[in-house]
Amino acid sequence: EDQVTQSPEALRLQEGESSSLNCSYTVSGLRGLFWYRQDPGKGPEFLFTLYSAGEEKEKERLKATLTKKESFLHITAPKPEDSATYLCAVQAGGATNKLIFGTGTLLAVQP
Amino acid sequence: ETGVTQTPRHLVMGMTNKKSLKCEQHLGHNAMYWYKQSAKKPLELMFVYNFKEQTENNSVPSRFSPECPNSSHLFLHLHTLQPEDSALYLCASSPRGGGRDEQFFGPGTRLTVL
Repeated sequence: EDQVTQSPEALRLQEGESSSLNCSYTVSGLRGLFWYRQDPGKGPEFLFTLYSAGEEKEKERLKATLTKKESFLHITAPKPEDSATYLCAVQAGGATNKLIFGTGTLLAVQP
Repeated sequence: ETGVTQTPRHLVMGMTNKKSLKCEQHLGHNAMYWYKQSAKKPLELMFVYNFKEQTENNSVPSRFSPECPNSSHLFLHLHTLQPEDSALYLCASSPRGGGRDEQFFGPGTRLTVL
C-alpha cells in the first residue's frame, strides 16, 4: 500500500537555527514527490516537485532533496515567517493523478 | 481573480440542509480535484475531474455529489451530512490529469455540520 510518513509531527526552532524535516515514502513507481506549505486557515501552497533520486531544489531558505526512500526539506537560518505546516505528497505510477499526502510537520520559528 | 477561488469560505449547516460549495480556477487548467482535510489526518482525495469527466471517486458517500460543468468550475453538492463531515474542503487544479503536474489549491471552505 502506498504510504507517506512525515517526521517530526511538530518542530520548534529559534530564529536562525537550521534543521530538516523528513518525508519517508513507500510507493509503487514514484512519479513525483511534492512539498507544500500550509498556513492556518489557508490552502496548501506549492513549493517543490522532485522526480528522481539525487535531485535537489532550492527556494530562498528552503532546500528539498530526494532519495529512493525519503525526502528532506532543509531549512537554513529560518525566520518567524517560515512558521507553517509543511506537507509532503507523492504521486504513484499509473494513469491517475492522485496525490498521497502525509500528515505534515508543524514548524514554529521563534524570534 | 487569480489562481483558485472557493466560496463560501465558511459554512455552518444542519444535518437536514442542502448546500453547495463552489470552486473556480483561473489558471487554464484541465483537471480539478476535491479534497477533505480533517484535523490530524492527511488530505483525503475525494474526486478528480479531467476535461469535465469524473475519473476518480475515492469511495465517497453519496451525500457528497460533485458537478463539473466545464474545466474552470467545480461544485460539491452536500445533503443530509453528518457531524463527522465537518472539515476543511479544498479544491485544487492542475494543467493535465494523469500527468506529473503540481496541483494548485484554493483557500478552502471550512464546513461545520451541527
